[in-house]
Amino acid sequence: NAGVTQTPKFQVLKTGQSMTLQCAQDMNHEYMSWYRQDPGMGLRLIHYSVGAGITDQGEVPNGYNVSRSTTEDFPLRLLSAAPSQTSVYFCASSYGISGELFFGEGSRLTVL
Amino acid sequence: AQRVTQPEKLLSVFKGAPVELKCNYSYSGSPELFWYVQYSRQRLQLLLRHISRESIKGFTADLNKGETSFHLKKPFAQEEDSAMYYCALSRSSASKIIFGSGTRLSIRP
Repeated sequence: NAGVTQTPKFQVLKTGQSMTLQCAQDMNHEYMSWYRQDPGMGLRLIHYSVGAGITDQGEVPNGYNVSRSTTEDFPLRLLSAAPSQTSVYFCASSYGISGELFFGEGSRLTVL
Repeated sequence: AQRVTQPEKLLSVFKGAPVELKCNYSYSGSPELFWYVQYSRQRLQLLLRHISRESIKGFTADLNKGETSFHLKKPFAQEEDSAMYYCALSRSSASKIIFGSGTRLSIRP
């Protein structure tokens, strides 16, 4: 049972480049979310989804897009990377909003 | 808006000493509160939730609605408790789980 899988683990981008962080879970969880972790700021919610076809914005959605075409996958897209998006990104899923969140290993993104 | 505040960025205590990591929240309804922990080189994981009222690894947390707090406590700290601790809040009506800024707990031998 793989749980929550994120790829890539590390990525370096130049300002203006685009990329997609992949997230997949094999636990049939309805709820999925993306967070960014920055020193002193903790975990901040970027986007979340309560089921396939449904997404919504979190605390810091600007500069990021998401889609949820299947229950398993929840990719995070950076359309035009900026240095302010240098961070560690975590994908998480749960059975529901009140359930235990299961986290991926994280993706460290550096934007030069 | 819902908010979670962890006032201490770093807490350093000696092994065997009591530990209290503070968490305050702002939400007028009935929140669900959690503590998550991130040990070195491990994934973030759930430590405990207020609804289960259990003790995990010697840690307990009581929801105080009057003070809007959910402090995490352990009577005798152990070196393996050194980690990053996050307090989190959810409410089903908003479908969001919000985290605090985290407290790094360092246990000195």
